[in-house]
Amino acid sequence: SQQGEEDPQALSIQEGENATMNCSYKTSINNLQWYRQNSGRGLVHLILIRSNEREKHSGRLRVTLDTSKKSSSLLITASRAADTASYFCATETRRGSNYKLTFGKGTLLTVNP
Amino acid sequence: DAGVIQSPRHEVTEMGQEVTLRCKPISGHDYLFWYRQTMMRGLELLIYFNNNVPIDDSGMPEDRFSAKMPNASFSTLKIQPSEPRDSAVYFCASSLRLVSETQYFGPGTRLLVL
Repeated sequence: SQQGEEDPQALSIQEGENATMNCSYKTSINNLQWYRQNSGRGLVHLILIRSNEREKHSGRLRVTLDTSKKSSSLLITASRAADTASYFCATETRRGSNYKLTFGKGTLLTVNP
Repeated sequence: DAGVIQSPRHEVTEMGQEVTLRCKPISGHDYLFWYRQTMMRGLELLIYFNNNVPIDDSGMPEDRFSAKMPNASFSTLKIQPSEPRDSAVYFCASSLRLVSETQYFGPGTRLLVL
């Protein structure tokens, strides 16, 4: 399986509800990032959390990181129809002396009005 | 800043033809990345450059794919000859200093090879 795997693959909720997406990874990381992708568009960076941080907030977003469990979660509170998108976690992986971001396959979030 | 610019936005070509995708990164960014996104494989890193120098091309599928960055403001990804399995959305992204810092994505080029 991939370095970063999101769970669930798809999530459908009603407007106003909270949405929680999870990401698990395998190797040690320096940071973990969450991105959003609207249909037919490029990815947009949401938030970055470093390995020495446990929780981070940005507006209606809350990200947690548990390095002992190699997992992260993204919580979107008071969801809106405009939050409908795919959400990806990205982790830094290392190949020799080279680093790269590895993206999971994403969680498709649908927020119904 | 206009963000990362990619052209064309859509490309339809026939198998065997050469395809060239273009990217202009955000000014001042040291890193440029080429990704490919498909339903089956998700988002895959093909190659990335640091200060115009290719650093890691281990994701390039085969010799039919090549990428260049002749200067800090322009990069190309070329497929020659193209095959139907190359159909995907190709994204270019750039980041300021480090590979693992925030990456800024372009709108993508949707490629269909018939």
